[in-house]
Amino acid sequence: QQQVKQSPQSLIVQKGGISIINCAYENTAFDYFPWYQQFPGKGPALLIAIRPDVSEKKEGRFTISFNKSAKQFSLHIMDSQPGDSATYFCAASPGGGGSNYKLTFGKGTLLTVNP
Amino acid sequence: DTGVSQDPRHKITKRGQNVTFRCDPISEHNRLYWYRQTLGQGPEFLTYFQNEAQLEKSRLLSDRFSAERPKGSFSTLEIQRTEQGDSAMYLCASRGTDYGYTFGSGTRLTVV
Repeated sequence: QQQVKQSPQSLIVQKGGISIINCAYENTAFDYFPWYQQFPGKGPALLIAIRPDVSEKKEGRFTISFNKSAKQFSLHIMDSQPGDSATYFCAASPGGGGSNYKLTFGKGTLLTVNP
Repeated sequence: DTGVSQDPRHKITKRGQNVTFRCDPISEHNRLYWYRQTLGQGPEFLTYFQNEAQLEKSRLLSDRFSAERPKGSFSTLEIQRTEQGDSAMYLCASRGTDYGYTFGSGTRLTVV
């Protein structure tokens, strides 16, 4: 059972455009929703994260939109740059006391930003 | 402390051999995780330590896999009698009191 579904699998965007990646989850116990960026040969790096008490979080060019009732969240990258070309993973974990904050990842989106 | 360190970065081994990987977490982080990532997939949870206690193991982790974290510092992941299906990137991550993980660069295992 895939608990976090991510789409699209790959995405090509022109420099300066907006990149949008979507995720949907099933487990209502999930309480923390991070996005990770991974370059080839490197481990994932935390990009931005959101808790379900807010519907949107913005950090620089990166914005997470969160829809609790639909159990969906998305990453928007504004003014996409060639340096943003990487694989992006959404993830989710339960929270609260006693949780180990184990992350369940989506399958990833390979983003290519053309110059 | 510059982050999570993993050693070796790459390991090629013959099927049936044992391998051991090491992870040095960020020193003030008491929580440590191992994940496995295969090509084209997201990382999958293997096991979790809080200090020296191993608190959770995935059902993905067969009896051939064992992990330790003596004294709550570095951790090792051992795979006995390796199989070709074990070929993957093994990622270690640590976490302090906030939610965010810091991942290492991983150990890429190739079983031939």
